[in-house]
Amino acid sequence: DAGVIQSPRHEVTEMGQEVTLRCKPISGHDYLFWYRQTMMRGLELLIYFNNNVPIDDSGMPEDRFSAKMPNASFSTLKIQPSEPRDSAVYFCASSRPPPWGDTQYFGPGTRLTVL
Amino acid sequence: DQQVKQNSPSLSVQEGRISILNCDYTNSMFDYFLWYKKYPAEGPTFLISISSIKDKNEDGRFTVFLNKSAKHLSLHIVPSQPGDSAVYFCAASEGAQKLVFGQGTRLTINP
Repeated sequence: DAGVIQSPRHEVTEMGQEVTLRCKPISGHDYLFWYRQTMMRGLELLIYFNNNVPIDDSGMPEDRFSAKMPNASFSTLKIQPSEPRDSAVYFCASSRPPPWGDTQYFGPGTRLTVL
Repeated sequence: DQQVKQNSPSLSVQEGRISILNCDYTNSMFDYFLWYKKYPAEGPTFLISISSIKDKNEDGRFTVFLNKSAKHLSLHIVPSQPGDSAVYFCAASEGAQKLVFGQGTRLTINP
């Protein structure tokens, strides 16, 4: 199995630009998660999907952030417009049904830098 | 509001000695706790977990201890090896709901 695939691995953009992060979950996993890692707050859950339906988006920081899952093998996290404080590493993870812990597999992450 | 806290950003331990990583939580409804390990340029990987009905769980060199009254858990690595150098995240969940992670502790094992 290829694992969770994320693209791009690195993204550098200027403030005000739109940024789109992409994720392909592990085949057969019903749950998909988007996390953000910062030094101050560690790993924060932004949103998660079950069977392509958003279940909990309470972690999405503000309206500039949006996520979609048009099918079982693809999800996007979009930031529009981007701001310097959005600079972080964004992880996508997928899993089979709960319990989460030992079945949640992370991708390698996208390092976003907003200048 | 940080429900899961790892108060030590970094820890340095000599190879062969014990590494102890600590984690505190505030939500008494958390009933499942996990440790993840993360190498540079990779995503976190699951290491070990413990249910709130237990106070200890072992897996080889790794042992997790849970003190519910103190709302505290710890990860012990014995003996520590150079390959253990990584960032360790503590996480917790309530009734198989979403995971809440701490800030992470960077462990460095010195030869």
